[in-house]
Amino acid sequence: AQKVTQAQTEISVVEKEDVTLDCVYETRDTTYYLFWYKQPPSGELVFLIRRNSFDEQNEISGRYSWNFQKSTSSFNFTITASQVVDSAVYFCALSEALYGGSQGNLIFGKGTKLSVKP
Amino acid sequence: SQTIHQWPATLVQPVGSPLSLECTVEGTSNPNLYWYRQAAGRGLQLLFYSVGIGQISSEVPQNLSASRPQDRQFILSSKKLLLSDSGFYLCAWSLPSPGGTEAFFGQGTRLTVV
Repeated sequence: AQKVTQAQTEISVVEKEDVTLDCVYETRDTTYYLFWYKQPPSGELVFLIRRNSFDEQNEISGRYSWNFQKSTSSFNFTITASQVVDSAVYFCALSEALYGGSQGNLIFGKGTKLSVKP
Repeated sequence: SQTIHQWPATLVQPVGSPLSLECTVEGTSNPNLYWYRQAAGRGLQLLFYSVGIGQISSEVPQNLSASRPQDRQFILSSKKLLLSDSGFYLCAWSLPSPGGTEAFFGQGTRLTVV
């Protein structure tokens, strides 16, 4: 069965600190996709990144970077030089690639609430 | 560009009353549509998804139902609300694909059943 674990319920940092949000997943499939979403206080989920299981290259987008390690089934998210605007709940999600008309739905972790203080 | 509209933003309903939440998507055809619920302090739970008009799959047995009367319209309903139906409801869409596509979410409806 698919499962996503975000062990950190809440993290609090001071502005300009680096912070890493952990995500560990479980799946039996060899083809799958991983995602990160940001949920600011307004509630809407904002898509950040998608990564497929065949691409283990780390990705950097501005202050955000993602470390995908298949050997440990982890897809961690690092924010460098955090800012107050980064305060949000961050969700990691997993989707399996299903064929024959089936739908690979997103399975979410429980989220990590990040508070960045000035 | 694609947009997703969900309304109302907030709703307070008495126990036993009916519910209808509506979601529409613009700028794409034949999207996959989803209803998620987020209970306080918990992650997102997939309630329903649809790959086409009239095609609804339920992930969790519950007091709710969903319908897709038009290609880009997805409705979440209940005949009689329970206190446990309170939560944050999110509609989402994705490109029609067997998997691996990101979902884009509406702004959500915060439902309080009193």
